Amino acid sequence: GAVVSQHPSRVICKSGTSVKIECRSLDFQATTMFWYRQFPKQSLMLMATSNEGSKATYEQGVEKDKFLINHASLTLSTLTVTSAHPEDSSFYICSARDLAGDSYEQYFGPGTRLTVT
Amino acid sequence: GQNIDQPTEMTATEGAIVQINCTYQTSGFNGLFWYQQHAGEAPTFLSYNVLDGLEEKGRFSSFLSRSKGYSYLLLKELQMKDSASYLCAVRDSNYQLIWGAGTKLIIKP
Repeated sequence: GAVVSQHPSRVICKSGTSVKIECRSLDFQATTMFWYRQFPKQSLMLMATSNEGSKATYEQGVEKDKFLINHASLTLSTLTVTSAHPEDSSFYICSARDLAGDSYEQYFGPGTRLTVT
Repeated sequence: GQNIDQPTEMTATEGAIVQINCTYQTSGFNGLFWYQQHAGEAPTFLSYNVLDGLEEKGRFSSFLSRSKGYSYLLLKELQMKDSASYLCAVRDSNYQLIWGAGTKLIIKP
């Protein structure tokens, strides 16, 4: 099956610094990638939809200047959390839709646990 | 507004059968998904329903009734490894996935 990787899997950073998370589709091309955030014991919350070569579409309440998304190629999207604060500590998950495969399925990365101290 | 409802938590016994229900109200419908998520891990795809009826895949089955805005996930021959959260998600008219809060399933020996 299709594989999506994320790097890093876990990161601890100090308040005020920036963190970049990479999401890669390893064996397929993804025109669309999605970034989710999940707080403990809560469901996934879609942050933004990223389309290759164009600007990301952010969900209501998500600050686009704080969560920078770049989808420069069909296999890579990055999420940069700028000036991170403790309340940004969360589980960040990306998913990708296969360009050539079944249109209904999204493949999820393993997630990145961000802790801001 | 858009809404997905599923029970917060369920408990079942190893070897038994459990049914997890999901009701939805969304702006449009383009399919319903069930995902399994173990603690600290990303969700993994279980099933997809777009037409009414039952889809069977091994020990897992998923049912959909579009007229009732209702789906269920049926797990048979429960194993301890099935202890996880089960997420119901509906794709709306904009092909956006709307997620339920998840049902935490606890399996007891």
